[in-house]
Amino acid sequence: DQQVKQNSPSLSVQEGRISILNCDYTNSMFDYFLWYKKYPAEGPTFLISISSIKDKNEDGRFTVFLNKSAKHLSLHIVPSQPGDSAVYFCAASARRGSTLGRLYFGRGTQLTVWP
Amino acid sequence: DAGVIQSPRHEVTEMGQEVTLRCKPISGHDYLFWYRQTMMRGLELLIYFNNNVPIDDSGMPEDRFSAKMPNASFSTLKIQPSEPRDSAVYFCASSPKPGQGYYGYTFGSGTRLTVV
Repeated sequence: DQQVKQNSPSLSVQEGRISILNCDYTNSMFDYFLWYKKYPAEGPTFLISISSIKDKNEDGRFTVFLNKSAKHLSLHIVPSQPGDSAVYFCAASARRGSTLGRLYFGRGTQLTVWP
Repeated sequence: DAGVIQSPRHEVTEMGQEVTLRCKPISGHDYLFWYRQTMMRGLELLIYFNNNVPIDDSGMPEDRFSAKMPNASFSTLKIQPSEPRDSAVYFCASSPKPGQGYYGYTFGSGTRLTVV
C-alpha cells in the first residue's frame, strides 16, 4: 500500500525555468515531510523538509509547499539548473506513534534540466 | 563524521551463493534501515532497527533474507541462497530519533548486487 505517491515518473524542464515536482499522501497521521535528491551511483541526500504546522518552507532556489487539506505537497525549483538533474523522492513521517522514526517514500521523479 | 559506510560497493555473485552486505551507521544514530531500490518498486523498506532491536521486518521478501545488528556500529544483510531476482541496489540508512532539527535519514552510497 503506497502511502506516498509521486505520479509523474519523469519531468523535463529547460534551464532557467521553474521545475514543479508533486507528491500526494494518504495517511492523515503524517506530520513531517521531506524531499531527497539522488544522483546515479549515490545514495539519496536530504534536500528540504516541512512540518505540518507550516504551509511553505524555502531554502535558496528550493521551496516546498504543503496543502494539508488536499494531502498534497510540491517542490519548486527556481531557476532550474542542469546540475539539478536527478531523481527526487518525496517522503513523509508521523513523529508520534508506532512508526516513529520511519519514513515513507514515493517512487521518485526523474528531473532532467536541459540547456 | 564519515557518514553511513556500506561495503562492498559492488558485488557480483553466482546464483545459489551466500551474499553479505555490511553497514556502519553514523555514531549516535538510534535507527538503522535497509532498503532495496529497483525500477519496479522504487525504494523498498526491507527492515529497520531501533537501538539495535529489529522493529519491522515485514518488508523482507523471503526467508532467504536475514538482517542482524549485533551492536550500535554494525549491521549486516544476508541473502542465502541468492537468486537473479535479488539483483538491485541495496541501501543502508541511519537516523537520529525524530526531534528538533530532524532531517530524516542519512543514506550510504549503496551496494549494487548482481546475481548471475
